Amino acid sequence: AQSVTQLGSHVSVSEGALVLLRCNYSSSVPPYLFWYVQYPNQGLQLLLKYTTGATLVKGINGFEAEFKKSETSFHLTKPSAHMSDAAEYFCAVSDLSGGTSYGKLTFGQGTILTVHP
Amino acid sequence: GAVVSQHPSWVICKSGTSVKIECRSLDFQATTMFWYRQFPKQSLMLMATSNEGSKATYEQGVEKDKFLINHASLTLSTLTVTSAHPEDSSFYICSAGPVPETQYFGPGTRLLVL
Repeated sequence: AQSVTQLGSHVSVSEGALVLLRCNYSSSVPPYLFWYVQYPNQGLQLLLKYTTGATLVKGINGFEAEFKKSETSFHLTKPSAHMSDAAEYFCAVSDLSGGTSYGKLTFGQGTILTVHP
Repeated sequence: GAVVSQHPSWVICKSGTSVKIECRSLDFQATTMFWYRQFPKQSLMLMATSNEGSKATYEQGVEKDKFLINHASLTLSTLTVTSAHPEDSSFYICSAGPVPETQYFGPGTRLLVL
């Protein structure tokens, strides 16, 4: 079974400050990991993903995340927060163990990012 | 590329009626689509996996007779909430991908049952 834990349901930063959203996962197979962003009353937009290869992955809107196998972590960062980054962020792990639900996602609880002027 | 649409975006219905939600992949084909439900201030929970040409796979605790899924083609999956009740009010989101390993999400459908 897979699981995802996001530390901190709410994170508040000032505009221009570093954004750090934490994600730890549990998976019995090499994981595919994702970060999605959700704006109110909208679907999820893919920010970035890790499959294989380089452990530091860059995504859209200046976000990046680093896969650390030894720490089972996939934290999301952005050097300088912008007001438009205010949203809810979800970390997810993909089920690639086979079967009819191959590719299904297990999500963390979500982290609401607030950006103060 | 990799655009997923949903229709309708909002639906209000009376208790006891049925509601159909469509999920379409616009620029790719998908043999598998997923249906999630999201309650207010909560994360997404997988309801079922929709497989083209075969029966859907439901997660534990999801009533298959209540949430009917039909994957009619490689670009369309439908979720029908039968005999809807107020507790079925939620945000329903589908996902699909050109490859199952990467999923793209539709904009979601807000269902309100009165």
